[in-house]
Amino acid sequence: EAQVTQNPRYLITVTGKKLTVTCSQNMNHEYMSWYRQDPGLGLRQIYYSMNVEVTDKGDVPEGYKVSRKEKRNFPLILESPSPNQTSLYFCASSQNRAETQYFGPGTRLLVL
Amino acid sequence: KQEVTQIPAALSVPEGENLVLNCSFTDSAIYNLQWFRQDPGKGLTSLLLIQSSQREQTSGRLNASLDKSSGRSTLYIAASQPGDSATYLCAVYNQAGTALIFGKGTTLSVSS
Repeated sequence: EAQVTQNPRYLITVTGKKLTVTCSQNMNHEYMSWYRQDPGLGLRQIYYSMNVEVTDKGDVPEGYKVSRKEKRNFPLILESPSPNQTSLYFCASSQNRAETQYFGPGTRLLVL
Repeated sequence: KQEVTQIPAALSVPEGENLVLNCSFTDSAIYNLQWFRQDPGKGLTSLLLIQSSQREQTSGRLNASLDKSSGRSTLYIAASQPGDSATYLCAVYNQAGTALIFGKGTTLSVSS
């Protein structure tokens, strides 16, 4: 089944404790993105990647890092999480620029 | 800066009714537009992608239209069912085709 998977689905952590949210897609897509969804603000892009080793900032990249060492994986790294990064995070992928994006199930993060 | 607005924010209809969800965007120089549904606590499910050169796209009981000149898209749902209850999100690609810019959604409730 074609899908985007994320792990973990739920995470509670404390300020400053480094964490990684994994994302994997099995559709051989070129493009991958991370979004966060917040009440009243909607969904906003954090980072995106056009291919292996090619990444760029989205609208809200501060406090986040990404890497794309393999085509299928696009992990999101929070090196020193803060409470304002409490949010619902989505990974997404598409075959090419501006094509249908497929979203993962989401990761709900709470930073205390 | 592109802004996407969805009106109304919430809508309640009886089962069987045909309905229209509205989406407007401020910059008509869009790439493509995508409609999603989001169920509570769940991820985003892609419904339709309309390319910038298209005026209409259909999938089952769903029909989406695009009028770039007026900065508007509509999602028509025929013969609504309780299972259609969800939040519907409209998103347009930025001019680079690398990010979706989302509206805040219309929450639809269909009663039986």
